[in-house]
Amino acid sequence: QVQLVESGGGVVQPGRSLRLSCTTSGFTFSRYGMHWVRQPPGKGLEWVALIWYDGTNKYYADSVKGRFTISRDSPKNTLYLQMNSLTAEDTAVYYCARDASFSGDRFDLWGLGTLVTVSS
Amino acid sequence: DIQMTQSPSSLSASVGDRVTITCRASQGLGNNLAWYQQRPGTVPKLLIYAASTLQSGVPSRFSGSGSGTVFTLTISSLQPEDVATYYCQKYNSAPFTFGPGTKVDIK
Repeated sequence: QVQLVESGGGVVQPGRSLRLSCTTSGFTFSRYGMHWVRQPPGKGLEWVALIWYDGTNKYYADSVKGRFTISRDSPKNTLYLQMNSLTAEDTAVYYCARDASFSGDRFDLWGLGTLVTVSS
Repeated sequence: DIQMTQSPSSLSASVGDRVTITCRASQGLGNNLAWYQQRPGTVPKLLIYAASTLQSGVPSRFSGSGSGTVFTLTISSLQPEDVATYYCQKYNSAPFTFGPGTKVDIK
């Protein structure tokens, strides 16, 4: 069964860090680019980051550049998002999404998301 | 960066009506434009890519058109299960910006 399952969300204080994971199954993880997308409560979708299929290239939204790091572990079929210096504006449901190709295309598979709440 | 806008921001239509949503990009995208549907409380779902190609399993009442800077999503006959927010997205290059969304309700 093809699926993406995010984990690692929770409540975190401003300024602290959190690492999200996205465990994948049912497809050859190492052949696809992967994204993180977030959605603040009641708001629209915001693309966060992309990592190429082989991890050689990474791209970030300006809003997270320098604070967030996307990475992947192909033997574990897992995508990560390390989030540092969190602020209230980072509160959102975080989705991982599969790129339809290896380096930047439409998002053809989405996880269920994990909620990150930044609050003191 | 390229900005994405959508109109209208919301609409209410009757079952069976034809519904059209417009997406505009501040610069040309070629046909690197996707549409997603997000039903209330659910995960976004890919509907259309390459501006007009229907994703596998998506009902044929959905269609897309356009290229360059102006794109449209059309639902030929609105159904109750189409109540959702619809987002366009550019994917020609990073950042993979989404439009602000169009909320579709049943009148």
